[in-house]
Amino acid sequence: GNSVTQMEGPVTLSEEAFLTINCTYTATGYPSLFWYVQYPGEGLQLLLKATKADDKGSNKGFEATYRKETTSFHLEKGSVQVSDSAVYFCALSALNNAGNMLTFGGGTRLMVKP
Amino acid sequence: KAGVTQTPRYLIKTRGQQVTLSCSPISGHRSVSWYQQTPGQGLQFLFEYFSETQRNKGNFPGRFSGRQFSNSRSEMNVSTLELGDSALYLCASSRSITNEKLFFGSGTQLSVL
Repeated sequence: GNSVTQMEGPVTLSEEAFLTINCTYTATGYPSLFWYVQYPGEGLQLLLKATKADDKGSNKGFEATYRKETTSFHLEKGSVQVSDSAVYFCALSALNNAGNMLTFGGGTRLMVKP
Repeated sequence: KAGVTQTPRYLIKTRGQQVTLSCSPISGHRSVSWYQQTPGQGLQFLFEYFSETQRNKGNFPGRFSGRQFSNSRSEMNVSTLELGDSALYLCASSRSITNEKLFFGSGTQLSVL
């Protein structure tokens, strides 16, 4: 079956530090890959996505590249802000599914200190 | 444009009771899916509805059920509540089952005592 593994948190960084959150996946077929972010007390928001190998998703300074050879989709940001403090989820959606079923990783809590 | 609306925001129930949660998708969205979020198991897919039909179902017992109405609003029901059902239940909507961009509501926090 499909699975997503991401680094456990919490990850604590100082403002303007470089961020990497690792994500690897196991899937049959050719999944689309996503990063979602969850702020306290809220639902999930789509941060970025990539639908095929070597695609780079980017949004709000965050980037992730779909690496089929290493089955990875690591999230990076060059300079984090306090407002980036949240829980980040890596997810996949396999194209052979009948619908929008997402498989999520366990989430990584990011805490950014001023 | 209003987002995905889930009601109620918080619920407290006791073991053995049943509960119904409601989700109103974004206007024009016809696909609604439900997820359970717990600290131990993370985010797990419950089911997905499109055009009033269940299209996908996750690995949950039959106590968990749902339905979708003709206006795309959806409800999920949990019968004979157990302590382990305490969780944040998230609803997500999308335009169609082939559109992978999901919009999530803020969730219903269910506590079973």
